[in-house]
Amino acid sequence: VMTQSPATLSVSPGERVILSCRASQSVGTKLAWYQQKSGQAPRLLIGGASTRATGISGRFSGSGSGTEFTLIISSLQSEDFAVYYCQQYNEWPLTFGGGTKVEI
Amino acid sequence: EVQVLESGGDLVQPGGSLRLSCVVSGFSLNNYGMAWVRQVPGKGLEWVSVIHVGGGSTNYADSVKGRFTISRDNSKDTVYLQMNSLRADDTAVYYCAIAPRNGWDLLFFDYWGQGTLLTVSS
Repeated sequence: VMTQSPATLSVSPGERVILSCRASQSVGTKLAWYQQKSGQAPRLLIGGASTRATGISGRFSGSGSGTEFTLIISSLQSEDFAVYYCQQYNEWPLTFGGGTKVEI
Repeated sequence: EVQVLESGGDLVQPGGSLRLSCVVSGFSLNNYGMAWVRQVPGKGLEWVSVIHVGGGSTNYADSVKGRFTISRDNSKDTVYLQMNSLRADDTAVYYCAIAPRNGWDLLFFDYWGQGTLLTVSS
């Protein structure tokens, strides 16, 4: 089970944002992060817990291993307001966290 | 440019069947993984099924095991999801997603379609 916190985060543009994802058992570094804007498909941000996907801004960074993971947005931009999901791919079934909504 | 296009979503009665299709263009599927992920509007993401395009291995979420079947037609760069014995809780937007790497243990998804809506209701 993947648990994300907080469920909702109210922030202002320019702020540093820290999102948390916790696994009920170790997933090593087999953890991905996605961003989903309203009405759109998810977009891959991070794979392997810390490797940015192609074309993803350097203001997004991922860290962690085992059961505790973090996605940091260094300086929130207007286009970053969205829901963020983590996903483990260490074991079956593949599972997503419940998401964190980043809102103004 | 990689394009992923799902189709086949519809309104179906409980107990009915439907087949979703996912066509990929601008990308060679090779030995990669392709998955279906669903999302109830306003809710989170749920992985449904995955297929290894090269070898044909498959896996399913417990919630759909025995009712859904994933398959592929490599000649058409298309993956299908045959859904039988549909229930109201299968109602969701179904996304097709690609894990473009040679590893059954590297199933995270770089490319996604825009989704197709399945509604199961009488």
